[in-house]
Amino acid sequence: DTGVSQNPRHKITKRGQNVTFRCDPISEHNRLYWYRQTLGQGPEFLTYFQNEAQLEKSRLLSDRFSAERPKGSFSTLEIQRTEQGDSAMYLCASSFHDRRRAFFGQGTRLTVV
Amino acid sequence: ELKVEQNPLFLSMQEGKNYTIYCNYSTTSDRLYWYRQDPGKSLESLFVLLSNGAVKQEGRLMASLDTKARLSTLHITAAVHDLSATYFCAVPGGQAGTALIFGKGTTLSVSS
Repeated sequence: DTGVSQNPRHKITKRGQNVTFRCDPISEHNRLYWYRQTLGQGPEFLTYFQNEAQLEKSRLLSDRFSAERPKGSFSTLEIQRTEQGDSAMYLCASSFHDRRRAFFGQGTRLTVV
Repeated sequence: ELKVEQNPLFLSMQEGKNYTIYCNYSTTSDRLYWYRQDPGKSLESLFVLLSNGAVKQEGRLMASLDTKARLSTLHITAAVHDLSATYFCAVPGGQAGTALIFGKGTTLSVSS
């Protein structure tokens, strides 16, 4: 399968713990995006990488959130000191060009208890 | 700030009927994307509309874009149960125009 891969698929954590998610984009795609989706809403943009450079961050991305994409390959999204409001589906997407369609991974569903 | 509005948000259809979903956006954009999402699943790309007047068709779905009116439509012809899903439109936005700004989605339920 050469699609966008995300791990883990599900994560349950206690409030205050740190969590890290991984995204492996389609191999030839140099653009990588993170989105967050809550129930009944459309995905909300969090951050964007072109190769290894993080070029844009949403205001939604508080100081507790950090994302990296070392060597322009896979990416990680870390949430520190999780809060119940962080419970959501975290989606990763990649594209080859900004005018081409972005392909989404299956997402990581985070539940903070 | 770019806003993307879809209507209706919920649509209950009978099999065989036709209907249209509307997507309005608040600032100028020369392209628009449609995605489908099944419950508990990720988003599947349906259409990329790259210019004013663009029309794309795939099976029973047809999407069009009017950049002057800032409006896209997704037309469903002779609905079948398999089309039941949530449909999102998205427009490039954000500081660099690379983020996709999504509407809230239209949840379509097709029954016999």
